[in-house]
Amino acid sequence: GIQVEQSPPDLILQEGANSTLRCNFSDSVNNLQWFHQNPWGQLINLFYIPSGTKQNGRLSATTVATERYSLLYISSSQTTDSGVYFCAVHRGSQGNLIFGKGTKLSVKP
Amino acid sequence: NAGVTQTPKFQVLKTGQSMTLQCAQDMNHEYMSWYRQDPGMGLRLIHYSVGAGITDQGEVPNGYNVSRSTTEDFPLRLLSAAPSQTSVYFCASSYSRVVPQHFGDGTRLSIL
Repeated sequence: GIQVEQSPPDLILQEGANSTLRCNFSDSVNNLQWFHQNPWGQLINLFYIPSGTKQNGRLSATTVATERYSLLYISSSQTTDSGVYFCAVHRGSQGNLIFGKGTKLSVKP
Repeated sequence: NAGVTQTPKFQVLKTGQSMTLQCAQDMNHEYMSWYRQDPGMGLRLIHYSVGAGITDQGEVPNGYNVSRSTTEDFPLRLLSAAPSQTSVYFCASSYSRVVPQHFGDGTRLSIL
């Protein structure tokens, strides 16, 4: 099946720093989503981005489908950005997602 | 509009007990899924449904049953709980297969 690899696995930042999270996938996909899992365990939709670039405030994402990767950019990080960031992809007809193992982000004040 | 609602939020079971995790959505979504999340892992698909009366297995279906009698509800049943089923369970729904999935807040299940 399709493989989803995220890097780095762990990231520690000082508040105000910028970061880039990467998601590589092993085959063509119909859909790609980025999620933030907050310290309370909730999964928050960040982006639905099968291709192209989107921005939402301090966060932006780019997916290059032909090269099978996606990037999540976090600018001017805040302590509330801490948590685990998951990339998930889908292919086929059922609409179910295949998740990477996540990047654990810790933002220090 | 409550989105995807999961109950209970926490549950402790003894080995061999059975229980049902509830999932309900009020968005008239056809696609519903159950995932489990283990420490240090992403979510893995247990079962899914593409509409009322239609279910299928995902990556890790053993020990779980599902049914979909209505569009709104998609319960997950543990037939005989085992310690290996200690996990956080998430339910998700979407209008179709190519739009974003919406997740519930999860059920944290411990089996002793």
